[in-house]
Amino acid sequence: AQSVTQLGSHVSVSEGALVLLRCNYSSSVPPYLFWYVQYPNQGLQLLLKYTSAATLVKGINGFEAEFKKSETSFHLTKPSAHMSDAAEYFCAVSHAGGTSYGKLTFGQGTILTVHP
Amino acid sequence: DVKVTQSSRYLVKRTGEKVFLECVQDMDHENMFWYRQDPGLGLRLIYFSYDVKMKEKGDIPEGYSVSREKKERFSLILESASTNQTSMYLCASSFRRQRANTGELFFGEGSRLTVL
Repeated sequence: AQSVTQLGSHVSVSEGALVLLRCNYSSSVPPYLFWYVQYPNQGLQLLLKYTSAATLVKGINGFEAEFKKSETSFHLTKPSAHMSDAAEYFCAVSHAGGTSYGKLTFGQGTILTVHP
Repeated sequence: DVKVTQSSRYLVKRTGEKVFLECVQDMDHENMFWYRQDPGLGLRLIYFSYDVKMKEKGDIPEGYSVSREKKERFSLILESASTNQTSMYLCASSFRRQRANTGELFFGEGSRLTVL
């Protein structure tokens, strides 16, 4: 079975500071990994995805994530936080095979707060 | 743009009522999903469907059923709503991986259900 653990349910940073949201996964096969963002009262929007090509993945809004197989991690970073980055972020892993294609398992979510 | 539309953003129902949550997607996706989102628990899969009239249980199917009579429409049914089903419900869709991509999900904006 695949699973995802997000370390820290709440992260608070100052505007302009580095954003680091942690995600560790477990998977018996090479995974596909995703970060989604959810703004208040909205659905989830894809930030970026890892699909076994480059290990450093760049996404929208200046976010990026690095796949580290040895650490089973896929942490999300942004060099300089903006007030508009305040949202909840979800890491997810994709199942492989058969009719389970496209079924994602999500982490618990991390709420990012950005202070002026 | 891919569009996943959920019929109701906010619903208030009474215990024991039958509740229908409707979801429609316009991208010809084979897969459709219903997730439940609760604070601190992330998204949990209730049911998914990989084809018309096909369905599979997710992680928390108890108390729910689904219907997929047409490719673009996936309905979640609460036969007898209970207070512990008060939650945010998110519908999502995707292509089968063989056909297109990596299992990226496209989400609706969510339906917030309150059961009194």
